[in-house]
Amino acid sequence: ETGVTQTPRHLVMGMTNKKSLKCEQHLGHNAMYWYKQSAKKPLELMFVYNFKEQTENNSVPSRFSPECPNSSHLFLHLHTLQPEDSALYLCASSQDRGGWNEQFFGPGTRLTVL
Amino acid sequence: AQKVTQAQTEISVVEKEDVTLDCVYETRDTTYYLFWYKQPPSGELVFLIRRNSFDEQNEISGRYSWNFQKSTSSFNFTITASQVVDSAVYFCALSEADSGGSNYKLTFGKGTLLTVNP
Repeated sequence: ETGVTQTPRHLVMGMTNKKSLKCEQHLGHNAMYWYKQSAKKPLELMFVYNFKEQTENNSVPSRFSPECPNSSHLFLHLHTLQPEDSALYLCASSQDRGGWNEQFFGPGTRLTVL
Repeated sequence: AQKVTQAQTEISVVEKEDVTLDCVYETRDTTYYLFWYKQPPSGELVFLIRRNSFDEQNEISGRYSWNFQKSTSSFNFTITASQVVDSAVYFCALSEADSGGSNYKLTFGKGTLLTVNP
């Protein structure tokens, strides 16, 4: 149990659907992250929130929309996705954005876009 | 050029063999941090170890050991007497400050898939 939960664990959606991924951390951390993990590619950082403020957006297409209502919850809203968006989406949290802090990861949501 | 290079894509060993996973990094910063994570088939990355750039002391934790050498920009990970439960993808990562200097970003290597056969 890492203290970071993600729902759903698996999601299949069509290109015209709208869905949301949810992440919750029970560690009292202030920073939360979304990563994309595709086959044979390094983990790609998508978004970072620190104290509920978005501090990083790594040129992610607008069909991915993050939301951080409080320090414990992070959402990723999905709209009009493409098949190449199929991947494992990992949420992580850390105490803050200091370099020494390890990130704690959730189990991920396996997304398939048809 | 990749900031974190894990040249071994896949390694397969037989149980009880020792195995070393290589990691080479690239940075211009004098202050940075290095991490190793393990990703079992269940999916979540599990933190194993961190090192800051000023601490080159090697570390041993049970069957795991890490060799940090700034001179070669390497942070290698050795598993002694490997076990089937060690089978996973292992990621090396580098944490560097952004241009503002206050926020750090973690950059991962592509990972090494370790398979330990009985």
